Amino acid sequence: DIVMTQSPTSMSISVGDRVTMNCKASQNVGSNVDWYQQKTGQSPKLLIYKASNRYTGVPDRFTGSGSGTDFTFTISNMQAEDLAVYYCMQSNSYLTFGSGTKLEIK
Amino acid sequence: EVQLVESGGGLVQPGRSLKLSCVASGFTFSNYGMNWIRQAPGKGLEWVAYISSGSSYIYYAETVKGRFTISRDNAKNTLYLQMTSLRSEDTALYYCARVGPTIDYWGQGVMVTVSS
Repeated sequence: DIVMTQSPTSMSISVGDRVTMNCKASQNVGSNVDWYQQKTGQSPKLLIYKASNRYTGVPDRFTGSGSGTDFTFTISNMQAEDLAVYYCMQSNSYLTFGSGTKLEIK
Repeated sequence: EVQLVESGGGLVQPGRSLKLSCVASGFTFSNYGMNWIRQAPGKGLEWVAYISSGSSYIYYAETVKGRFTISRDNAKNTLYLQMTSLRSEDTALYYCARVGPTIDYWGQGVMVTVSS
């Protein structure tokens, strides 16, 4: 099974900050990585697909990059409504998720 | 508007069975592969099973293989998950999720609690 190692586990941030998180795949997954946002009590929402493509309606402050085994997700100008847990997911071989990065207000 | 509505969850004793349903609307259900994905309380996301649009391809996570069965009825726009030999570690919120071509829509989830 492909393991997705996501870091950091949590981040304390301020509104307006630039936020960066990472996922490392245990083997080459090409560009088959997506990023999801899950707010408390809600189901996950797709933000980025195929590593770097912004999903319909997603603000441009959310970006993704990477290929192969190393992937990065960035929020360029953190907003209060972005407080959530973010997950990476690989779909190259079945589906596996990273363990999540929780964003909290400093 | 795409909607996925799960049902059938509840409290069940270890070793017993339960069948989840997910009714889809707002899109042509028969054109899309579907997944079940679960989330234990306070934990991350775990893929459970996948079924292709015409049921030709079915895959399971190792943790549920042999105990869970995914199926669908395209005439009823409904996805199912038959769960048998349930264990405490199966306690989770179960989501159905559409593949289009990645996971683009999720239901709100249905809670399954396995406890004596």
